[in-house]
Amino acid sequence: EVQLEESGGGLVQPGGSLRLSCAASGFTFSSYEMNWVRQAPGKGLEWVSYIRYTGDTLYYADSVKGRFTISRDNANNSLYLQMNSLRVEDTAVYYCARATPGYWYFDLWGRGTLVTVSS
Amino acid sequence: SYVLTQPPSVSVAPGKTARITCGGNNIGSYSVHWYQQKPGQAPVLVMYYDSDRPSGIPERFSGSNSGNTATLTISRVEAGDEADYYCQVWYSSSDQPVFGGGTKVNVL
Repeated sequence: EVQLEESGGGLVQPGGSLRLSCAASGFTFSSYEMNWVRQAPGKGLEWVSYIRYTGDTLYYADSVKGRFTISRDNANNSLYLQMNSLRVEDTAVYYCARATPGYWYFDLWGRGTLVTVSS
Repeated sequence: SYVLTQPPSVSVAPGKTARITCGGNNIGSYSVHWYQQKPGQAPVLVMYYDSDRPSGIPERFSGSNSGNTATLTISRVEAGDEADYYCQVWYSSSDQPVFGGGTKVNVL
């Protein structure tokens, strides 16, 4: 079955760090570009970060630039998001989402993992 | 940055047609994609490149894009279509995808 599964969410204090993972299965992970998209409680979708299928091109939303780092391990079919200096406003469900190279839409999403930043 | 504007909600009776708009400056020059999100679930792609439907999406869903408005149309609305719908474009000027604020479709 083609799927993405996020993990690593939880409760963290402001200023803390968390590392999210996304496990891919059922497709050739190394052929796809990957993204993180988040959704604050009761709010809309916000794109967070992108990584090219080769891992050599990275993009970030201004709201997380300098604090979050996206990476991937194609050998282990995994995507990561290292989140540092977390803020209350980073509280959200974080989804990993797949895109075909050159096609800027997300055709496969995981179920998401909740990150709560609170003291 | 590029802003996409959607109405907060649209209400429609079963069997009727729902039209969800997505406004943006010269959005007709961009490719627009649409997602459906039901409560507690991940988003699902329902339309890409303005008017292409992924496999498994009913023909009742159609899309158009021209000028400053893109539209997702749901014909013969069913109770199961009740969800939030988001439009999205790739904004090349800042190398990032942009989402609209979302529209909640209420089936009366």
